[in-house]
Amino acid sequence: DTAVSQTPKYLVTQMGNDKSIKCEQNLGHDTMYWYKQDSKKFLKIMFSYNNKELIINETVPNRFSPKSPDKAHLNLHINSLELGDSAVYFCASSQAIRKLAGGRVMNEQFFGPGTRLTVL
Amino acid sequence: TQLLEQSPQFLSIQEGENLTVYCNSSSVFSSLQWYRQEPGEGPVLLVTVVTGGEVKKLKRLTFQFGDARKDSSLHITAAQPGDTGLYLCAPKLSSGAGSYQLTFGKGTKLSVIP
Repeated sequence: DTAVSQTPKYLVTQMGNDKSIKCEQNLGHDTMYWYKQDSKKFLKIMFSYNNKELIINETVPNRFSPKSPDKAHLNLHINSLELGDSAVYFCASSQAIRKLAGGRVMNEQFFGPGTRLTVL
Repeated sequence: TQLLEQSPQFLSIQEGENLTVYCNSSSVFSSLQWYRQEPGEGPVLLVTVVTGGEVKKLKRLTFQFGDARKDSSLHITAAQPGDTGLYLCAPKLSSGAGSYQLTFGKGTKLSVIP
């Protein structure tokens, strides 16, 4: 029944290690996202994939590399982890963009439960 | 870069009280969403507003989109402990790469004390 799932839920690792977080959605959506939420609860987009193609790549260190093997999966690999990478990472998915009158757009995003990453 | 502000940042009230939280920007948006995030969980969509001046009700929650589509408010009547959480507004741009993404406000952390 899970709509958007992430693994692992918790990840504790040493500085300098490489780790991956996996995300899967069973909603049939064609767009998936990765967000980072810091200790102050600020939720910021990192990447967005539409039909397996990267469409948004915010200012994120190139140590972070997303991979979308198919529309239902968007994984996040992080190289050479740093202390500042500690945060909660959320995966989300949405339906295709719905265009409204006047060129406006909207969609609804469904979030996974988050992965709490702690870098020691 | 549009400035998006949510206020208040923190709010602690007694059960049964009413409250209003605000989301303001200098930019015009095609639509705006409100999400609630409970501790240890991801944000969950509450409502999407699209038309300037639009008012939507979800039980004890009333959402309003400003006439100029630059601001929104969320009013909760007779707050309950179950309303506790982080309330995030997420407006949406009309076009370009930004139309594929939500820009989240920093949120209002609401605590309803029994």
